[in-house]
Amino acid sequence: GDSVTQMEGPVTLSEEAFLTINCTYTATGYPSLFWYVQYPGEGLQLLLKATKADDKGSNKGFEATYRKETTSFHLEKGSVQVSDSAVYFCALLFPVNQAGTALIFGKGTTLSVSS
Amino acid sequence: SQTIHQWPATLVQPVGSPLSLECTVEGTSNPNLYWYRQAAGRGLQLLFYSVGIGQISSEVPQNLSASRPQDRQFILSSKKLLLSDSGFYLCAWSDTVGRLNTEAFFGQGTRLTVV
Repeated sequence: GDSVTQMEGPVTLSEEAFLTINCTYTATGYPSLFWYVQYPGEGLQLLLKATKADDKGSNKGFEATYRKETTSFHLEKGSVQVSDSAVYFCALLFPVNQAGTALIFGKGTTLSVSS
Repeated sequence: SQTIHQWPATLVQPVGSPLSLECTVEGTSNPNLYWYRQAAGRGLQLLFYSVGIGQISSEVPQNLSASRPQDRQFILSSKKLLLSDSGFYLCAWSDTVGRLNTEAFFGQGTRLTVV
């Protein structure tokens, strides 16, 4: 079945370091792909998304490109800040029946940024 | 604008007691509704989804059940809680039919601790 695999955490970086969080997926067809972020004690928020191959999603300095050939959607940021400390989830959208869709999430990657 | 409310925010329940978590959505009609659980070390797991009133699908067999008595109300229940039911429960909604590129919107979550 459809699945998402994320790199294991935690990831610990110094402020202004470069960030990459790897995400690969297995799916039939070409699902929409997402990155969600969860700040401490909160629910999930959409960070960025891409709906077709070669699309690049971007938000708050984060980017991810939908790579069909490698079935990947890696998250990157050129210079992280302390406020970026959170748990990051890669997800794909799949049809659950003729009327609906649902998100499948990776296990999440905890990012800690120190000043 | 659409909003999603989930309560309570935290809950401590003894083993064997019943559970009822409620989620309501405002500002939209006929949403897809979801319950996810985030357990330590296990990422985010889809528990139930619903595409309409009274229509519930379960992704993982377990000690929990869900109901949708109204279009914008989604309830997660258990008759007898187990220790393994502890976790962070998230309700979410998304637009329906054919919108395969739509995102999901999450509530703030309920931290359930079974003691």
